Amino acid sequence: EVQVVESGGGLVQPGGSLRLSCAASGFTFSIYWVAWVRQAPGKGLEWVANINPGATEKYYVDSVKGRFTISRDNADNSLYLQMNWLRAEDTAVYYCARYGYNAAFDVWGPGTTVTVSS
Amino acid sequence: QSALTQPPSASGSPGQSVTISCTGTSSDVGNYNYVSWYQQHPGNAPKLMIYEVTKRPSGVPDRFSGSKSGNTASLTVSGLQAEDEGDYYCTSSYAGSHSYVFGTGTRVTVL
Repeated sequence: EVQVVESGGGLVQPGGSLRLSCAASGFTFSIYWVAWVRQAPGKGLEWVANINPGATEKYYVDSVKGRFTISRDNADNSLYLQMNWLRAEDTAVYYCARYGYNAAFDVWGPGTTVTVSS
Repeated sequence: QSALTQPPSASGSPGQSVTISCTGTSSDVGNYNYVSWYQQHPGNAPKLMIYEVTKRPSGVPDRFSGSKSGNTASLTVSGLQAEDEGDYYCTSSYAGSHSYVFGTGTRVTVL
């Protein structure tokens, strides 16, 4: 079964750090772009970052540039999001998503919740 | 990049049709055929319903269809069923790059 599963969410204080992980299975992870998409409580979806198969191209939404870093380990079929200098407005469910050859986010994980609060 | 504009809500009776618009600019929807649509039920992850403006993934009912005219893409759900209730989001690539922008979301209610 093709799937991705996120982990690593939790409660963190403003200014703190957190590292999210995404474990992929059921497909050849190393040939796909993958992304992080988040959803603040009661709000819509927001693309956060994505990374190409070889980890040589990385793109970020303006609001996280300089604070978040996306990375991947193709040997371990894993995607990561290192989040530093967290703010209250980063509170959200974070989804890992595969960007398929159909030019769309075609596989989504169940999400992991990040809460930034003192 | 600004979010694509969708109406906050849409509704219809069972069997009727509902159309949701997604308005962007020439930097996203207008110049690229990489518009996709997602359905999200409360507490669940989004599900891909339409990709490349008009195409349906395997398993998505043919009641769902997509189109585009100028800077506005549309999703039509024909023959509404109770399970079609939920939130719908469009997305597009931005400026031909690997950056993406989502729509503001539309809540569909089956009356």
